[in-house]
Formats: sequence, structure tokens, C-alpha cells
Amino acid sequence: AQSVTQLGSHVSVSEGALVLLRCNYSSSVPPYLFWYVQYPNQGLQLLLKYTSAATLVKGINGFEAEFKKSETSFHLTKPSAHMSDAAEYFCAVTMNTGFQKLVFGTGTRLLVSP
Amino acid sequence: NAGVTQTPKFRVLKTGQSMTLLCAQDMNHEYMYWYRQDPGMGLRLIHYSVGEGTTAKGEVPDGYNVSRLKKQNFLLGLESAAPSQTSVYFCASSYPGRAHEQYFGPGTRLTVT
Repeated sequence: AQSVTQLGSHVSVSEGALVLLRCNYSSSVPPYLFWYVQYPNQGLQLLLKYTSAATLVKGINGFEAEFKKSETSFHLTKPSAHMSDAAEYFCAVTMNTGFQKLVFGTGTRLLVSP
Repeated sequence: NAGVTQTPKFRVLKTGQSMTLLCAQDMNHEYMYWYRQDPGMGLRLIHYSVGEGTTAKGEVPDGYNVSRLKKQNFLLGLESAAPSQTSVYFCASSYPGRAHEQYFGPGTRLTVT
């Protein structure tokens, strides 16, 4: 079975500071990994994805994530936070074979202060 | 191109009442999904469909039924609502073989009193 663990239900940063949201995965087969973002009162939107090509993945709005097999991690980073980045972020995993059901983490709410 | 739409946006039910949530997509996606989102629990898959006329159970199917009579629509039914079904419900859709890239609707906030 696959799962993802997101460390920290809330992360607070100042505008302009580094954003680091942590995600660790568990999978018995090579995984596909994703980050989704949910802005207030909206549905989820795909931010970026890892599907076994480059281990450093760039997404929208300046976010990127690095797949590290040795650490079973897929942490999300952004060099400089903007007020508009305030949202909830979900890490998700699926297998790269068979029917690809997404398994979501519990989410991390990013708070950005001026 | 509206993407994925959900009806209604909000609803309040009394315990024991029934209702149907409608999801519609105009992207010609084969796969469709229903999730519920609860604080601190992320999104959990209720039911999904890999094509017209087919449905399958997800992680938390009890108390819900679904139907996919038309490719573009996926209905979620609650026959006898319970307070434990108070949640935000999201519909999503995707292409076959790209089930990891799901497009989400805006959600339905359901309160059962």
C-alpha cells in the first residue's frame, strides 16, 4: 500500500522567506508523486508532478520539488514566499502501473505574513 | 470550457434526508472520482468510475451510492444522511492512463444536522 506523510499541519513564513513543505512517501513500487494546491473555497489544482524523469521538478508559481529515493522524500520549496502563496498544499502518491488512484496526505496550510 | 462543475455549492440536510450531488465535466474524460475532504484528513476517495456505466468503491464508500449513466456526469447519492457525512465533497476527472492528473471541481459543502 502507498501513503504519504506531510510533516506539519501549518507552516508560517514571512513574505520573501524560503518556503519548505515536507512530504515523505511509502511505496512498494516506483511511485509517481504530486503536489496539489488548494486556495480558499476552491478545488485542488496540480502544482507539479514527478513521473520518473528528472528528479528535480519545476511547477507553477515558482515552486519546485526534488525526488530523493534514498530519503523517500518529495519536499516542496520556493525561494521567496509571496502573499498569494497562502493556501493549503497536498502531497499525493500513486503507482506507475495499473489504475492510478491518488492517495493524498493530510495537507499543510501555508501562512504568509507581511 | 467550464471544466468540472458541481451542483449544488452548499446544502444543509437533516439526519435521514436524502440528496444527490451532481458532477459534470466537459473535457471528455473517461475517469471520474468523488472525494470527501475533512479537516486534518486530506482527501479520501469515496467512489470512482473508469467509464460510462461503470463504478467502483474507493476508500470510504459506506453510506454513498453513485451512478455514471452519461460519460460527462457522475452522481453521488446519500440515501439517509448522517452527521458523520458533514464534509466538503469534491468531484474530479481525468484521462485514462493519466489518472494522476486530475481536474477538480469547486466543491460542495454539505452540513447534516
